[in-house]
Amino acid sequence: ETGVTQSPTHLIKTRGQQVTLRCSSQSGHNTVSWYQQALGQGPQFIFQYYREEENGRGNFPPRFSGLQFPNYSSELNVNALELDDSALYLCASSQVPQGGTDTQYFGPGTRLTVL
Amino acid sequence: DAKTTQPNSMESNEEEPVHLPCNHSTISGTDYIHWYRQLPSQGPEYVIHGLTSNVNNRMASLAIAEDRKSSTLILHRATLRDAAVYYCILRGDNAGNMLTFGGGTRLMVKP
Repeated sequence: ETGVTQSPTHLIKTRGQQVTLRCSSQSGHNTVSWYQQALGQGPQFIFQYYREEENGRGNFPPRFSGLQFPNYSSELNVNALELDDSALYLCASSQVPQGGTDTQYFGPGTRLTVL
Repeated sequence: DAKTTQPNSMESNEEEPVHLPCNHSTISGTDYIHWYRQLPSQGPEYVIHGLTSNVNNRMASLAIAEDRKSSTLILHRATLRDAAVYYCILRGDNAGNMLTFGGGTRLMVKP
């Protein structure tokens, strides 16, 4: 069973640029969620995709957008990067959204630094 | 989702049991109690979850108070590899797939 993978591992961008982060879900999972984790804090939910549609969104501006592909891999796109976007970006996959009982499997994350 | 309160940090000796507390006084009847942990330089990892009864798995035990206003994650014999940030999270049935992380408890394990 292949776990959740993310690419790239690290990334350095400058303010105003755009970035695309990628995630491959665990085999058999059709739901993917993205989180942002600033240094020293817990992860914050960005959004979730289920069956290629956005299925929930946290308190993040529209310049954070995503895609989910038919093979359940996913992308997180961030436009007009700001210094505060520097963080660890985590992808998590799970089976169909089950609310209280589902288990999410996280990737190792992509460390984004915005200069 | 209802809020949880955890100590910022705790220390334990290797091979001793560890009890990590979590308060959730505003928990609703349909909220599940989940625990995740995050080892250094890794993504969070599922540990255990429960609703009303105590739960055991190969990683840990979860003890839930009778009134459900608090719970305790129990590591029976801490190892150096258990050093991590432990997050207690409440999830309702209508929470979708979102996990709401607080600050968690940083567990340090001394050899």
